[in-house]
Amino acid sequence: DSGVTQTPKHLITATGQRVTLRCSPRSGDLSVYWYQQSLDQGLQFLIQYYNGEERAKGNILERFSAQQFPDLHSELNLSSLELGDSALYFCASSVEEGNPSTDTQYFGPGTRLTVL
Amino acid sequence: AQSVAQPEDQVNVAEGNPLTVKCTYSVSGNPYLFWYVQYPNRGLQFLLKYITGDNLVKGSYGFEAEFNKSQTSFHLKKPSALVSDSALYFCAVRDIFPSGTYKYIFGTGTRLKVLA
Repeated sequence: DSGVTQTPKHLITATGQRVTLRCSPRSGDLSVYWYQQSLDQGLQFLIQYYNGEERAKGNILERFSAQQFPDLHSELNLSSLELGDSALYFCASSVEEGNPSTDTQYFGPGTRLTVL
Repeated sequence: AQSVAQPEDQVNVAEGNPLTVKCTYSVSGNPYLFWYVQYPNRGLQFLLKYITGDNLVKGSYGFEAEFNKSQTSFHLKKPSALVSDSALYFCAVRDIFPSGTYKYIFGTGTRLKVLA
């Protein structure tokens, strides 16, 4: 168990709908990353938050947005869903402070999104 | 820009034989290198990392990785493979975003299949 939690585990929805995925980082971790993994694909970095602020954007569609709250949990919002959005969505967290040699990214179990 | 490459999409090895999963890197400055494993329908699990020091890094589940600066490689190894080691393995390098926060760059993954 990495200490990173994600809910829900599975989500099935229809095209055009909107969903919210939730992530709680490990205790003490300030940085949250979101990734998308399509079937048999590698990891696509979407977005990163650090202590409540957006710090980096990757291949994130305009239909997708995220935020990190004061308690450091993060939500990824996916709207106007399309069939191609079906994927595993992972959240990861890291400390991002202190000794750089100790910083390691830990992943949650993921949310499997199926768009029908 | 920092990058990693995993030249093999799939590696097959017989149970009990030694295994190697290859990773090469391209970095400017000191490399911070990581290995993760992903079992089916699970999140990525941290295996080990190289920051500095001993070129042979030991990690979880009996895995180790050898850092080779002259060959810019960070190959994952295990002396005796188990069927349960069958999974998807990702190599990663840590870089820094323009914002100053850490950026983790993942390889495309190598599927390891251990045959009984």
